[in-house]
Amino acid sequence: NAGVTQTPKFQVLKTGQSMTLQCAQDMNHEYMSWYRQDPGMGLRLIHYSVGAGITDQGEVPNGYNVSRSTTEDFPLRLLSAAPSQTSVYFCASRQREGRTEAFFGQGTRLTVV
Amino acid sequence: LAKTTQPISMDSYEGQEVNITCSHNNIATNDYITWYQQFPSQGPRFIIQGYKTKVTNEVASLFIPADRKSSTLSLPRVSLSDTAVYYCLVVNNAGNMLTFGGGTRLMVKP
Repeated sequence: NAGVTQTPKFQVLKTGQSMTLQCAQDMNHEYMSWYRQDPGMGLRLIHYSVGAGITDQGEVPNGYNVSRSTTEDFPLRLLSAAPSQTSVYFCASRQREGRTEAFFGQGTRLTVV
Repeated sequence: LAKTTQPISMDSYEGQEVNITCSHNNIATNDYITWYQQFPSQGPRFIIQGYKTKVTNEVASLFIPADRKSSTLSLPRVSLSDTAVYYCLVVNNAGNMLTFGGGTRLMVKP
């Protein structure tokens, strides 16, 4: 059971480039979300999804797009990377029903130069 | 969502019991308390959750007083490998997103 898988683990982008961070889960979880974590800080919610075809904005959504075409996948797109988006990105998933724990991926460390 | 307040950092020594207290004065009736642990370069990992009184699992205990305005995570006999950041979260029963604060950075020394 792989859990939550994020790719790539590391990425360096030039300012203005675009890229997609991939997140996949094999637990049939309905809820998925993306967070960013800056050095020495807690996690901040970027976007989340409560099921296929449904997404919503979190605390810091600007500069990021998401889509949820399947239950398993929840990619995060950076349309035009900026140095302020240098961070570690975490994807998480959890079941919808009840007081269930969230499972996190190992993170993607992104540097924008 | 109720805001949480916890110490920024704590130091301890191997073998000691560590108690990390979290304040959540505005907790609502349907909210429950959850704690996560994060090691460097890893995603957070669920430790324990509870609604009231005491909850214990193989990793930790969680104490929640009757007014539920605070909670205490207790780690028995910590080891060096318990050095991590610990996050206290208040989650609504129907909540679909988790709101993380700054966490408590625990340093366990030999």
